[in-house]
Order: sequence, then C-alpha cells, then structure tokens
Amino acid sequence: QKEVEQNSGPLSVPEGAIASLNCTYSDRVSQSFFWYRQYSGKSPELIMSIYSNGDKEDGRFTAQLNKASQYVSLLIRDSQPSDSATYLCAVRSAQAGTALIFGKGTTLSVSS
Amino acid sequence: EPEVTQTPSHQVTQMGQEVILRCVPISNHLYFYWYRQILGQKVEFLVSFYNNEISEKSEIFDDQFSVERPDGSNFTLKIRSTKLEDSAMYFCASSEEGTAHFGNGTRLTVT
Repeated sequence: QKEVEQNSGPLSVPEGAIASLNCTYSDRVSQSFFWYRQYSGKSPELIMSIYSNGDKEDGRFTAQLNKASQYVSLLIRDSQPSDSATYLCAVRSAQAGTALIFGKGTTLSVSS
Repeated sequence: EPEVTQTPSHQVTQMGQEVILRCVPISNHLYFYWYRQILGQKVEFLVSFYNNEISEKSEIFDDQFSVERPDGSNFTLKIRSTKLEDSAMYFCASSEEGTAHFGNGTRLTVT
C-alpha cells in the first residue's frame, strides 16, 4: 500500500518566521513530488513540484527532496498570515501511472 | 490563466439517486482525473482518463462510478445509486504531463 505521511499539526509560527513542513512516503520508486496548499473548503492549489534530490526554490518557498530517506519537505520563509492553510504533500509513482497519492496534510497557522 | 471548471458547485441528492458531476478541463491538457475528499480526510484518487479511455482507477472506483468525455470539452463523473458515504467534495483535475491543476470542486451531499 503506497502511503504518504504528514504530521497533521497544527503547526503554529509567528509572522515572519520560517515554517517547516515534512512528508515521508513509502513507495521507493516514487518519482515526482508536489506540494499543494488548500484553504478550508477550497480546492488544492499547486505550490511547487520537485523531481530531483536537493533543493528547489520559488520565491518564499523551498522544496527539499531526499529520495534515499524517502523524505520531502517544504520551507516557507517570512511566513504571512495569508499562508495559514493546510499543506498537502502528493507523490506520483511511475508504477502507479499519473495518479497522485496525497498525504492528509499539515495545518499551518501563522499569527500576526 | 486557464482553469479547470466544475459544475455544479454544490449538489444535494437523495440516497439511491444518480448524479452527474461535470468538468471542463484546461483545453490543451491530455490527462483528466477525478479525486474526492471526504470532510476532514485526505484527497483520494478515483480515476484517470487519457486518450478517451480510463488509464487507471482506484479501489474506490467500483461499478457505482463511471466517467465519460461526451464531447471535446466536457468530462463527467456519474455516480449511480448514491449512498450516504458518497457525500464528499469531488475534484476534477487535468494535466499536460506533469502537474495536475484542480477545479474548484463539487460538494456532493447525499441525504
């Protein structure tokens, strides 16, 4: 059973701090990794994708991937109250075609 | 920016009835998906559709469900004989090859 695990939180950080969100996955042949943001009652919104080991930066967001440890993380720098949402980690395995397997998400709360 | 469009935004139906959820994927995308999210739970994959046929489906996608692309733009999910546990948000998504873009969802409430 392919699984994606995330700490459900809530993760609380003050405005301006760095928020660190973590995700582990069970399927070793997973190839593509995604972070989505989901506001309450809304649909998942893509933040970043990462395919290779290492870091990938996009604005205030940095995704980190370590395939040997089966671990992917998302760092949010200079956190803003508008970043308060649930962050979903999603994984795609070549063996599973193009479907995404989602974690349950980590709820982030940024206080002003 | 092109987006995935879903209708209706909210559907209420009685147990045992059939519902059809509609989606218009992004026009140049080749892969189409349905996912669902029961309240408070994770987003779950139902089915993917490529080249006018189902390419993958999950264990959830049993004979109660079917998908169709009736014309060049629409992509539908039919749920027959709805049950209370079918109440959820249903998301349509589409992609060219890589990242999936989600529609705003249809909230299905089965009473």
